[in-house]
Amino acid sequence: DGGITQSPKYLFRKEGQNVTLSCEQNLNHDAMYWYRQDPGQGLRLIYYSQIVNDFQKGDIAEGYSVSREKKESFPLTVTSAQKNPTAFYLCASSKWTSGRENIQYFGAGTRLSVL
Amino acid sequence: AQKITQTQPGMFVQEKEAVTLDCTYDTSDQSYGLFWYKQPSSGEMIFLIYQGSYDEQNATEGRYSLNFQKARKSANLVISASQLGDSAMYFCAMREERGSGSARQLTFGSGTQLTVLP
Repeated sequence: DGGITQSPKYLFRKEGQNVTLSCEQNLNHDAMYWYRQDPGQGLRLIYYSQIVNDFQKGDIAEGYSVSREKKESFPLTVTSAQKNPTAFYLCASSKWTSGRENIQYFGAGTRLSVL
Repeated sequence: AQKITQTQPGMFVQEKEAVTLDCTYDTSDQSYGLFWYKQPSSGEMIFLIYQGSYDEQNATEGRYSLNFQKARKSANLVISASQLGDSAMYFCAMREERGSGSARQLTFGSGTQLTVLP
């Protein structure tokens, strides 16, 4: 089945630690995205990538880093510089085009908590 | 800058009844797309329906329809014949279609929690 796989489902971070969230897609989509969701709020864009080896900052990129070495994979690292990392993180992918051909499809999310 | 407003934090509807979830948006662009997503308690965001700003007809997908009023900048989601499984958070989102790069970003509203009562 085609889809987006995020792992782990739950993640705990100790103070001063970097953690990496995995996102893999087999939809052959060019574009991938990372969003953060805080309780009772909508999604905010952290980073997005249009093509391999290229990515752009979203609205809240500080304290996060990404890489895009393969079309299928877009891991997100939450660094120790992110002082309030507790949130629900969602990965998405889409075709890089306009109109109804560009629908973002999401993974099941990773819930990150700080110990 | 684009902005999405969902003014109903919570809504209740009786099973088998229809319900309308409100969404207004703000943009200076002429070409844009409007989206609705459903987020059950499990957390995954599920795409429901898309409306392009130049589409002449309101979008429909099964029990979902979008009441698009361009002059009022509103894109309300109508769910007909509500089911218990429709209980979830619903998000309206918008994307400006001009150019490329940052213009392809989705901007989300704060969501409406829908509860379907038996």
